[in-house]
This record gives sequence, C-alpha cells and structure tokens, in this order.
Amino acid sequence: GDSVTQMEGPVTLSEEAFLTINCTYTATGYPSLFWYVQYPGEGLQLLLKATKADDKGSNKGFEATYRKETTSFHLEKGSVQVSDSAVYFCALSDGGANSKLTFGKGITLSVRP
Amino acid sequence: EPEVTQTPSHQVTQMGQEVILRCVPISNHLYFYWYRQILGQKVEFLVSFYNNEISEKSEIFDDQFSVERPDGSNFTLKIRSTKLEDSAMYFCASRGQGVRTEAFFGQGTRLTVV
Repeated sequence: GDSVTQMEGPVTLSEEAFLTINCTYTATGYPSLFWYVQYPGEGLQLLLKATKADDKGSNKGFEATYRKETTSFHLEKGSVQVSDSAVYFCALSDGGANSKLTFGKGITLSVRP
Repeated sequence: EPEVTQTPSHQVTQMGQEVILRCVPISNHLYFYWYRQILGQKVEFLVSFYNNEISEKSEIFDDQFSVERPDGSNFTLKIRSTKLEDSAMYFCASRGQGVRTEAFFGQGTRLTVV
C-alpha cells in the first residue's frame, strides 16, 4: 500500500538557519503530495501541495518540489523563524475518488531565537 | 474563511462508555473524513464518507465505530464502547469536489479514556 517516510526528528535550528525536511513516498499511480503543519495546541493546516511531477508548492517561504524520479517531496525554507516551530507532516493522496491521506510520522521543528 | 469545527476540544470518558465526537464540515464540501493520532504516532485514516454513506474505512474502524451525517451539516463519529487504546486526538476533515483538492482539518478532539 501507499506509504510516506519522513526523516527522524526532532530538529532544532537557530533563527535564520536553512531548513530541509526530507520526505519520500511509495505509491501506485500518480499521487498528490502535501505538507501539513500543526502548531502547538492547534489542528492540521495545509502548508503547501503539488499535484503532479515537477510541480513546486510554496507558501510562507516554504517550498517543496514533486520529484517523481526520486519519489521525494522535501520541504525547504531559506531562513526559519521562531514562529515556524511546529510539527510538520508529509502526506500523499492517491487521487482516487476518496482521496484519503496517508501521512508520515511527522517531525518536530524547534527554532531558537 | 470557512473552517471545519469540532466539538468538544477535549473529552474524558470512562472505559466502556459511548462517546460521540462532533464535526461541522465546510458547508459546500462533499467528502468527509475522520483521522486519529495516538500521542507520538502518525496521523491515521479511519473512515471516509460521501453521498451519505461510508466510501472507505481502515482496519481500525471496526464495529465499535460508526459515523453519521444526521442533518446535512453535522458529521459525527461514535465509539460505542471505548477502550483505553482509543485515547487519541481525533481529527475531522472535509474536501470539496475534484480529486486533487486538498482536505481541510478541524482542530481536533482529544479523547482520553480512563
């Protein structure tokens, strides 16, 4: 079945550092890929998405490119802020009628001032 | 901005009791979901609901679980006889038309079974 693998965490960075969070997936067909973020005490929010190969999703300074050849969707940000501290989930949707999401384990990012 | 609303935010219940978790999806959405997240683990799919019936369910969604959309706005998850291992954060989500549209999540209900 479909699966999403995220790098192990947690990750701690200083403000303005460069961020990469790795995500790889296994899926049949042509999934859509997503990054969701969960800020402390809040629910899941969509951060960005990409629906086909070579698409780049971007939002709030975060970017991720859908790489079919490496089955990856790594999240990057050039300069993190303290307010980016949260749990980040990579997810895929199989694009079928139900389009349920398969999530990775999530990774906690802490940004120090 | 439209949002998915879940109530209550936190529910404590005794083992063996029935609980109902409530969700109000975004009004023009057609697909509805429940997911759960046991503390420290990944978010897991429970069930999807479309056109007033379950369209897919996971192995977790056994006979103790049921879903309803009783009045065209609410979407509920019932656990008939709770177990300790049902303790988790439960997320409701809804999605509009189109297979590539994203799901919008509620803030979750933290269920604690004691």
